[in-house]
Amino acid sequence: QVQLLESGPGLVKPSETLSLTCIVSGGSIRSYYWSWIRKPPGERPEWIGYVYYSGSTNYNPSLKSRVTISIDTSKNHFSLNLSSVNVADTAVYYCARGMGAWEPFDFWGQGILVTVSS
Amino acid sequence: DIQMTQSPSSLSASVGDRVTVTCRASQSISSYLHWYQWKPGKAPKLLIYSASNLQSGVPSRFSGSGSGTDFTLTISSLQPEDVATYYCLQTYSTPPENTFGQGTKLEIK
Repeated sequence: QVQLLESGPGLVKPSETLSLTCIVSGGSIRSYYWSWIRKPPGERPEWIGYVYYSGSTNYNPSLKSRVTISIDTSKNHFSLNLSSVNVADTAVYYCARGMGAWEPFDFWGQGILVTVSS
Repeated sequence: DIQMTQSPSSLSASVGDRVTVTCRASQSISSYLHWYQWKPGKAPKLLIYSASNLQSGVPSRFSGSGSGTDFTLTISSLQPEDVATYYCLQTYSTPPENTFGQGTKLEIK
């Protein structure tokens, strides 16, 4: 059974960069699309972007200027960097697996709460 | 971009009731519509993919229907463990720009 586990700081200061890692276990990171999704409190979930195992990426246009998603297949993990954060970036951040670019996310992590505050 | 509108935003029903949640897309998305169950502190769970396909391991009381712009998630006989928030997700956009509905919070009466 594939398992995903998010890790990173739970508190980030405004204007700094939010950095999270998702470790994939129980299966290969190859041949899948790996996404980050976030859910701000009281709002609907928002897809941030994905990285394919080859390293190609696609980002939500609303976040594209601040987002970088990368992958390390040798370590079976992928990462999210979100720069210049503000309080509106406070959310539970999830990593998830997709079978294809237009396929749903079938495995998810449990999520990590990241609060942006000084 | 494609907007997803769910209704109702909240719903209270009794154990054993038939429950229906609707999701409407702002343009046709064919069958690129999927349903998720969200519970606090747990990984979101894929229930239905491609509008009407039951994900492996999901109880058969869950079903989905629709295509184009209008979609429905149905729970045929509500169980206490179904208390959760349900979201629809579209994955039709090119390039991919997946968007979720605003959610339906389901409670037991």
